[in-house]
Amino acid sequence: DTGVSQDPRHKITKRGQNVTFRCDPISEHNRLYWYRQTLGQGPEFLTYFQNEAQLEKSRLLSDRFSAERPKGSFSTLEIQRTEQGDSAMYLCASSLATSGGIQYFGAGTRLSVL
Amino acid sequence: DAKTTQPTSMDCAEGRAANLPCNHSTISGNEYVYWYRQIHSQGPQYIIHGLKNNETNEMASLIITEDRKSSTLILPHATLRDTAVYYCIALYFGNEKLTFGTGTRLTIIP
Repeated sequence: DTGVSQDPRHKITKRGQNVTFRCDPISEHNRLYWYRQTLGQGPEFLTYFQNEAQLEKSRLLSDRFSAERPKGSFSTLEIQRTEQGDSAMYLCASSLATSGGIQYFGAGTRLSVL
Repeated sequence: DAKTTQPTSMDCAEGRAANLPCNHSTISGNEYVYWYRQIHSQGPQYIIHGLKNNETNEMASLIITEDRKSSTLILPHATLRDTAVYYCIALYFGNEKLTFGTGTRLTIIP
């Protein structure tokens, strides 16, 4: 068990570019979550999947954001036409469906939009 | 999920018990209290959770008042590695969205 893995750890991009982040959950976990964290704030929920189905999306997830989990294993989060306000840490977590509120987080991808 | 209130920051001497309070006065009967912490440059880490009874694991103890309106996370022998932001979260079992708030920044003093 290597834990939740996120790639890349850091991403610097120019405003208007598209970026994609990857998350590899703990192998037997069927639930996968994305959160966003800005400086000085706690993480905010964006969306979650059970297997390949995206079950809930936050209103924070504008139409420039899309998340997928095509085979129920790894997930990608894409941001199109990035804006400076998208600069944040993007955290991925995974869990078993039976584990209640116990989620295991990766170290995150820090996005800086210039 | 009920709103939780925590002090912004706390200090604790190394080797002493760190007691982190959390108020959740509007918590309902079937909402659990979860604690997570986030060490600098890492993702949040689950610590412990409880419903009514006090709970203890290898990391910490959780004391929930009888009226369930507040709780205290106890780190029995704090070390420098316990310096982190600690989040108290009220959550219905089966709700997938963790709502973190701003937490308590705990600094362990050598």
